[in-house]
Amino acid sequence: EDQVTQSPEALRLQEGESSSLNCSYTVSGLRGLFWYRQDPGKGPEFLFTLYSAGEEKEKERLKATLTKKESFLHITAPKPEDSATYLCAVQAMDSNYQLIWGAGTKLIIKP
Amino acid sequence: EAQVTQNPRYLITVTGKKLTVTCSQNMNHEYMSWYRQDPGLGLRQIYYSMNVEVTDKGDVPEGYKVSRKEKRNFPLILESPSPNQTSLYFCASDGTGAGNEQFFGPGTRLTVL
Repeated sequence: EDQVTQSPEALRLQEGESSSLNCSYTVSGLRGLFWYRQDPGKGPEFLFTLYSAGEEKEKERLKATLTKKESFLHITAPKPEDSATYLCAVQAMDSNYQLIWGAGTKLIIKP
Repeated sequence: EAQVTQNPRYLITVTGKKLTVTCSQNMNHEYMSWYRQDPGLGLRQIYYSMNVEVTDKGDVPEGYKVSRKEKRNFPLILESPSPNQTSLYFCASDGTGAGNEQFFGPGTRLTVL
């Protein structure tokens, strides 16, 4: 069964303290892996797409990486405005374009 | 401004009273989708549409209906709501045509008593 697991469920960091969020996945064949950010009371906002192992994408303080089993979202020197829930989703080759979503990691950055 | 709009944003209703949640996008996207989000379960897809008059079931379609008569609109219909449909609902659209980079609406919080 295709599955996405995100860890940790929640992460509290001090401003400037770098860390990583994990997204482990099990799919029959990966078409793509996606990262979204969700602020409280809002819809998710697209961040990155990764298609193959070894690929990396960067945006400001965020960098997403991909292996054959998992993806990491690295956050470098975070600021309070990076506080949000980060969602990971995968799309399988035989999925007819449906996404399988993880439950998310709630990130809190304290000033 | 490119956006996905949903109405209403909040709704409290009673079991069995038919309701419709509207969704509209102004980006000329072909792909649209409805999700529900429940604590600890993540986003689950209800229905999606690849184009006008083309709709398909997602993971949790039971108790829901959709229609896609125009490209910009994708309403979600609950013909006989039940308390287990209390949830946060999101509409999304995608310009890639493959559900990859989805624009989400602001959400509709539905409570069924």
